[in-house]
Amino acid sequence: DTGVSQNPRHKITKRGQNVTFRCDPISEHNRLYWYRQTLGQGPEFLTYFQNEAQLEKSRLLSDRFSAERPKGSFSTLEIQRTEQGDSAMYLCASSLYRYPYEQYFGPGTRLTVT
Amino acid sequence: GEDVEQSLFLSVREGDSSVINCTYTDSSSTYLYWYKQEPGAGLQLLTYIFSNMDMKQDQRLTVLLNKKDKHLSLRIADTQTGDSAIYFCADPRGQGNFNKFYFGSGTKLNVKP
Repeated sequence: DTGVSQNPRHKITKRGQNVTFRCDPISEHNRLYWYRQTLGQGPEFLTYFQNEAQLEKSRLLSDRFSAERPKGSFSTLEIQRTEQGDSAMYLCASSLYRYPYEQYFGPGTRLTVT
Repeated sequence: GEDVEQSLFLSVREGDSSVINCTYTDSSSTYLYWYKQEPGAGLQLLTYIFSNMDMKQDQRLTVLLNKKDKHLSLRIADTQTGDSAIYFCADPRGQGNFNKFYFGSGTKLNVKP
């Protein structure tokens, strides 16, 4: 069990560019979550998957954001036409679909949009 | 996030006890969780408590839950400098309670040597 991994750890991009982040959950975990965290705040829920199905999306997830989990294993989060307001830490977490449903977080991807 | 409230800062001396408080709003929460975040890192799960419990102890950590007042606290005994971090409580929401976690803004714990 190597824990949740995320790549890249840091991404600097120019406004208007597209970026894609990857998350590899703990191998037997069938639930995968994406959160966004800005400075001085707690993580905010973006979306979650159960296996390959995306079951809920936050209103924070604008049309420029898309997430996939094609084979129910790793997930990608893409942001199109990035804006400066997208600068944040993007956190991925995974859990089993059973009590106590504790979520294990990856180290995050820090996005800076210049 | 949505009405999970925490005080922002706590400063203690090494060896003292720390108490971090949290209030939440979802009375149907089945479990409540505490996480620790060090600078530049993700969140580390510390402990959780089932809602039919009043207290849970796990080594230096003690969690107290007052469901009537929707108040959760985390006590760290014999606080060490390595405990300096931001601590978040998490309140699960959504169908079946576990689709997403709502986090407070976090309490920054500073441990002075």
